[in-house]
Amino acid sequence: DAKTTQPPSMDCAEGRAANLPCNHSTISGNEYVYWYRQIHSQGPQYIIHGLKNNETNEMASLIITEDRKSSTLILPHATLRDTAVYYCIVRVATYDYKLSFGAGTTVTVRA
Amino acid sequence: DADVTQTPRNRITKTGKRIMLECSQTKGHDRMYWYRQDPGLGLRLIYYSFDVKDINKGEISDGYSVSRQAQAKFSLSLESAIPNQTALYFCATSGETSSSYNEQFFGPGTRLTVL
Repeated sequence: DAKTTQPPSMDCAEGRAANLPCNHSTISGNEYVYWYRQIHSQGPQYIIHGLKNNETNEMASLIITEDRKSSTLILPHATLRDTAVYYCIVRVATYDYKLSFGAGTTVTVRA
Repeated sequence: DADVTQTPRNRITKTGKRIMLECSQTKGHDRMYWYRQDPGLGLRLIYYSFDVKDINKGEISDGYSVSRQAQAKFSLSLESAIPNQTALYFCATSGETSSSYNEQFFGPGTRLTVL
């Protein structure tokens, strides 16, 4: 049973912002939204996570809607090296140690 | 040096053979995980371990077994390999501190082909 829904693919121009949507309409109050990415056949890499406030780190920003039913990962200035599969995951941080990966969004950054 | 290493990186074996995939980590984490990834799909959890004496089945443990030899080492075995176990296998670790339990650190993967 999928907890998140993401578009299968999207393109982005190099240097522009990439906005990756994720729907999680059944999210529980104690579940966080996590984002990971996987660059071709490498191990997945953690990007960012949040509960209800917007978050920013050196890699990306995470915008969570007020009702928490959807979120957007923003890569502010996409580069060719950001081409990857991006996974949106919901989980309870302290207890639900398992990461349930769906199919994710394949992001292709074009020069 | 990589924090999470996996050996071998690539392996081709035959149906019915026993094979072991090894994972080592230098992050000092207690929690370790084994995932498999099939082409075009996300990762699925096979086994996980919270410490040397605690091992748990994941969502697809049938046909696999694990051994946690030490805090830093977690091995995955296929007792009798079959072709549908052909996949990319990842090991991961996570810690228990307030910052590190939010993040799992993955190894580079082992590509296994069962003929």
